[in-house]
Amino acid sequence: NAGVTQTPKFRILKIGQSMTLQCTQDMNHNYMYWYRQDPGMGLKLIYYSVGAGITDKGEVPNGYNVSRSTTEDFPLRLELAAPSQTSVYFCASSLGGTSGRRAKNIQYFGAGTRLSVL
Amino acid sequence: AQKITQTQPGMFVQEKEAVTLDCTYDTSDQSYGLFWYKQPSSGEMIFLIYQGSYDEQNATEGRYSLNFQKARKSANLVISASQLGDSAMYFCAMPRLRGSARQLTFGSGTQLTVLP
Repeated sequence: NAGVTQTPKFRILKIGQSMTLQCTQDMNHNYMYWYRQDPGMGLKLIYYSVGAGITDKGEVPNGYNVSRSTTEDFPLRLELAAPSQTSVYFCASSLGGTSGRRAKNIQYFGAGTRLSVL
Repeated sequence: AQKITQTQPGMFVQEKEAVTLDCTYDTSDQSYGLFWYKQPSSGEMIFLIYQGSYDEQNATEGRYSLNFQKARKSANLVISASQLGDSAMYFCAMPRLRGSARQLTFGSGTQLTVLP
């Protein structure tokens, strides 16, 4: 069972460079999320998607863009990398949505991408 | 606004003993839930246990149980019979409605070290 797969695992960028973090899931989940985790902190939501073609901003969206052309894929794009974007990035997916039911609420995470901007 | 507080930055426990990791929360929602995730040194986030505020009995998943006390707004994780592989960072998290989805709000985590 692959679950949520993120690539690359590690990346070093120079200031001003661009890159795309890839995320794919094989659980047929409608909902997908991008979080960032700064050292010693919990995760903060960057963007999320409730289905193909539908995305929305989270807590910390500035400097990022997303797209969702298929159910499986949810790439995160950094256009002009800045040192403040040095972080570990996690992609997650869930069945969805606003229901309080346990099964729909559980978010399954990828292994993360460790990004340094120098 | 929601807030999750984990007041123990680090905890130590002897192998085979039980340990309780604290989590308190603040929410104005009538119906809500609490998650616990484990993050080992390899970095991935692993779902451990979930309980909804409407559940009457405390949740259990193998050696993990949730000591949920709504009046005190606490949802402590109890790990019984600790193993060396339990050494990791543990996060408490609460789903929060954001637009048409539920965002997870995380606490700052507790680093658990199991001693041989």
